[in-house]
Amino acid sequence: QQQVKQSPQSLIVQKGGISIINCAYENTAFDYFPWYQQFPGKGPALLIAIRPDVSEKKEGRFTISFNKSAKQFSLHIMDSQPGDSATYFCAAQTGNQFYFGTGTSLTVIP
Amino acid sequence: KAGVTQTPRYLIKTRGQQVTLSCSPISGHRSVSWYQQTPGQGLQFLFEYFSETQRNKGNFPGRFSGRQFSNSRSEMNVSTLELGDSALYLCASSLDRLNTGELFFGEGSRLTVL
Repeated sequence: QQQVKQSPQSLIVQKGGISIINCAYENTAFDYFPWYQQFPGKGPALLIAIRPDVSEKKEGRFTISFNKSAKQFSLHIMDSQPGDSATYFCAAQTGNQFYFGTGTSLTVIP
Repeated sequence: KAGVTQTPRYLIKTRGQQVTLSCSPISGHRSVSWYQQTPGQGLQFLFEYFSETQRNKGNFPGRFSGRQFSNSRSEMNVSTLELGDSALYLCASSLDRLNTGELFFGEGSRLTVL
């Protein structure tokens, strides 16, 4: 059973556009929600993260929106660039255990 | 500071064989986790070790095992390989601070089972 559900599986966006990736969870014990970015041939790397007591966190062009009542959170990439083309994983943490979504392959077309 | 190092990076095995993968965490990191990555399945948690003890285990058959040494280096073993075991195996280390989301991944060991 997938503890964190992620959509879409793949996404194609024009350069300068907004990329949006959505995740949902059920376990209310989750208390930290990181996003990881993975380039081909590399391991995932932490991109941005949020705690459930905050509804939004922004770092540069990357923003996490968090809806605790709906148990949903999303990653928004503003002004998407070809260099953002990668696979993105949402995750949820409880204690020292992480649960990852199935990933979204983002392609930004020049 | 050196990152997480995984060896070997690529390997090809045949069904029924066994394989051992190695992971050297970032210096000072005592928690090491292993994940299996396959297309469409994302990152599936295998197990996590802390101070040589398996602290958490995912939903994988007993053919998958691991261990951690006193220097925090970790190995995972897959016995009686099946075609479906073909995947990228990722190791991640952390400082084991709760609620930080700070996992540091290696580049993975890509296993192909023929």
